[in-house]
Amino acid sequence: DAKTTQPPSMDCAEGRAANLPCNHSTISGNEYVYWYRQIHSQGPQYIIHGLKNNETNEMASLIITEDRKSSTLILPHATLRDTAVYYCIVGRGSNYKLTFGKGTLLTVNP
Amino acid sequence: SAVISQKPSRDICQRGTSLTIQCQVDSQVTMMFWYRQQPGQSLTLIATANQGSEATYESGFVIDKFPISRPNLTFSTLTVSNMSPEDSSIYLCSGAPMGITEAFFGQGTRLTVV
Repeated sequence: DAKTTQPPSMDCAEGRAANLPCNHSTISGNEYVYWYRQIHSQGPQYIIHGLKNNETNEMASLIITEDRKSSTLILPHATLRDTAVYYCIVGRGSNYKLTFGKGTLLTVNP
Repeated sequence: SAVISQKPSRDICQRGTSLTIQCQVDSQVTMMFWYRQQPGQSLTLIATANQGSEATYESGFVIDKFPISRPNLTFSTLTVSNMSPEDSSIYLCSGAPMGITEAFFGQGTRLTVV
C-alpha cells in the first residue's frame, strides 16, 4: 500500500475551517484515500473517503488533486470536539488492511 | 455504517494469563482486522481474519501468541496469550459491511498487564 505523509500537528481556531493536508505520491490507480480520526484513545472514527473526485458528507469535505498525489481534509467549522488525531490512509477497499501512520494531531482552540 | 462492539472494554490481567477479546458486528463482514495500539503510538495491524480459513498474521505477530477465531461473518475473537506487561495496549477490531468500501472500528479493549 502507498504511504502517506502528514504534518505531525496543527492548530485551528474554533469556528474556523480546518484544512488537513496529506501527501500520497505513490498512490496506485485502484487505491482510495481514507480519512479517520481518533479522539483520545477511542476507536478510530471513519470520516470520509474518495477515489478521484472530491467528496463531501455531513462531517467533512475531501479534496483530491487531479494527479491524486495529495489531498486535503476540510472540517468547515471546527469545534473543540474535533480535537483529535487525524489519519490519512491509502487503501484498496474494505477487504484490505489499512496501514496507519502517525497522523496529524489537530488541536482546536477556543 | 456498522456498529462494532468489543468486550471487555478494559481489563487488568496478571502476567502469564490469557485474555480473550470478543468482537461483534451488527452486519455481515467479509474480512475482520485486529489491531494493537501501544501507549502513545499509532495502530499496528496484528492479523486479518477471514471466515473459514486461518487468520493471516503480520510480521512480528504469531498465532501462538495471538490466536484468532472467526466462526461466522459477524463475530471474531482475539486471544492474548501468556501475557507480559509489554502486551499492555489497546486492542481494536474493524470490519466493513459487505458492499461498503469503508471499514469501521470497535471502541477498543484497553488491556493492562501487571
